[in-house]
Amino acid sequence: GIQVEQSPPDLILQEGANSTLRCNFSDSVNNLQWFHQNPWGQLINLFYIPSGTKQNGRLSATTVATERYSLLYISSSQTTDSGVYFCAVPKYSGGGADGLTFGKGTHLIIQP
Amino acid sequence: SQTIHQWPATLVQPVGSPLSLECTVEGTSNPNLYWYRQAAGRGLQLLFYSVGIGQISSEVPQNLSASRPQDRQFILSSKKLLLSDSGFYLCAWRVTNEQFFGPGTRLTVL
Repeated sequence: GIQVEQSPPDLILQEGANSTLRCNFSDSVNNLQWFHQNPWGQLINLFYIPSGTKQNGRLSATTVATERYSLLYISSSQTTDSGVYFCAVPKYSGGGADGLTFGKGTHLIIQP
Repeated sequence: SQTIHQWPATLVQPVGSPLSLECTVEGTSNPNLYWYRQAAGRGLQLLFYSVGIGQISSEVPQNLSASRPQDRQFILSSKKLLLSDSGFYLCAWRVTNEQFFGPGTRLTVL
């Protein structure tokens, strides 16, 4: 199956700072999702972004499928941005009904 | 709009006891359904997925089983829990290419 690596594993920032989270994957994909897991464990969909760039408020994401990586940008961080950010791709190249493979996540802490 | 429910929210069970976790989806029909487990607060592992009633694919050999008795109902079960079954269990659904997750069940096996 496809392997996913996320970096950095941990990140501590002051409120107002910007950050870039990276996701590398080992094979071509037709689906890539970014999630935010809040302190209660809920997985919140941030982006569905198999290629290109999307923006949603202070968050944006870019996937370069040909180079097998995706980036998540968080600008003007707020304490509510704290949590774990996951990147996920289909388990196997070509997708299908099978589920997602997740990276180990980036644990982000925003200090006031 | 679609919503996904899981219950119970938390569960504490002794080793050797049975398990039944339930997941239901509203507002969609014929979804693909998934069970994931998250151990130690990091990383999710796919356990089972289903493309229709009675159709179950298992990803990882383990002490668990899954069933889909109705179109929008997915059940995770065990006959005898092990300590290693502790974790956070998440159900997900998919209609197009994007997956959405339920609130999860936190299981502690003592």
